[in-house]
Amino acid sequence: GQNIDQPTEMTATEGAIVQINCTYQTSGFNGLFWYQQHAGEAPTFLSYNVLDGLEEKGRFSSFLSRSKGYSYLLLKELQMKDSASYLCAVRGANSGYALNFGKGTSLLVTP
Amino acid sequence: DTGVSQDPRHKITKRGQNVTFRCDPISEHNRLYWYRQTLGQGPEFLTYFQNEAQLEKSRLLSDRFSAERPKGSFSTLEIQRTEQGDSAMYLCASRQLGRGDHEQYFGPGTRLTVT
Repeated sequence: GQNIDQPTEMTATEGAIVQINCTYQTSGFNGLFWYQQHAGEAPTFLSYNVLDGLEEKGRFSSFLSRSKGYSYLLLKELQMKDSASYLCAVRGANSGYALNFGKGTSLLVTP
Repeated sequence: DTGVSQDPRHKITKRGQNVTFRCDPISEHNRLYWYRQTLGQGPEFLTYFQNEAQLEKSRLLSDRFSAERPKGSFSTLEIQRTEQGDSAMYLCASRQLGRGDHEQYFGPGTRLTVT
């Protein structure tokens, strides 16, 4: 099975940098994903890591350490529109490579 | 392509009634997934299709739930004899396996409220 942990809530200031951590325990690993979800909307894809290291995409970066079962999402130059839930998801080798999601981290960006 | 669409967006029903949701994936995506999401939780896997074949169902999918993808394009999810515990957002996602695109593309969801 999968066990995915991430903080429930975080608050950060506009223009700042925030790091959202995710730890996981899995019986099979085929990639780690980060999705952003605004209230009442569908999750939207942010990043995918399958090898150790940092993937950078604009203001967003994601890091993976498979040996530690650890990932983080780094958001730079925070904007008010970044207030959302951030979902960490692990793709196993079962269930047709379906995603196993954590409960999400609700990020509030304040002025 | 307009992305994954779902219909209806909202459904309110009385306990004991049957409901059916529809998902139209991105055209030519061969994988289609159904997830359920309750408040404060991440999406939970329900079932998936490879083309028209339903290949796996989660333990969350009781025998009151049935899903189909008859022609390998759109899919339907039916819940019979709804219960209050079925109230949730039902999300559909699609993906093209084997094209090097790892992303699952989610639809806007159908929010079900059982009264």
